[in-house]
Amino acid sequence: RKEVEQDPGPFNVPEGATVAFNCTYSNSASQSFFWYRQDCRKEPKLLMSVYSSGNEDGRFTAQLNRASQYISLLIRDSKLSDSATYLCVVNRGNYGGATNKLIFGTGTLLAVQP
Amino acid sequence: DVKVTQSSRYLVKRTGEKVFLECVQDMDHENMFWYRQDPGLGLRLIYFSYDVKMKEKGDIPEGYSVSREKKERFSLILESASTNQTSMYLCASRWPQYFGPGTRLTVL
Repeated sequence: RKEVEQDPGPFNVPEGATVAFNCTYSNSASQSFFWYRQDCRKEPKLLMSVYSSGNEDGRFTAQLNRASQYISLLIRDSKLSDSATYLCVVNRGNYGGATNKLIFGTGTLLAVQP
Repeated sequence: DVKVTQSSRYLVKRTGEKVFLECVQDMDHENMFWYRQDPGLGLRLIYFSYDVKMKEKGDIPEGYSVSREKKERFSLILESASTNQTSMYLCASRWPQYFGPGTRLTVL
């Protein structure tokens, strides 16, 4: 089983749609969770951290369910510029020291259509 | 603004050559990382470093070595390049990680 699993997509949605991505992780000791965005042929960029209480940044909402080891990203009112690959990222173990490694999912491709 | 730079965007080398990939960050970060990214496999950690002259193996260190003589610079070395090392190489610094633009390496 992969440490971080995502639906690869592609998700083809019209402008203005709401789209949700899901991600599961296998290590129950993981403490830190993130969503990164990667545009075609570019480097990944941090989109947002994911907190237990859930957090929102404009049109983006991230949620964490520790019991189910599940992370989600919701994008409301999709824009053409949201087209990218979204990477779910989890740290491998307890924060700090040699276990302070990030594990990247293979990403979910989003294509927003005009 | 954090700035991570990599020495080359595109590089073509021949099998058996020694290859150096350089990464520099300008924010005095202690943590630096080297990844490779391949289709269907995502980003995989090769090596990382928490301080000068300190290095730790990641998940796929075979065929690679690293050097960190100064805090701002973290070099990835392919001792004898092979075709299966053709990939996108990404350097990152800080926690959570901030990436450089990547080096697309082709080994012929």
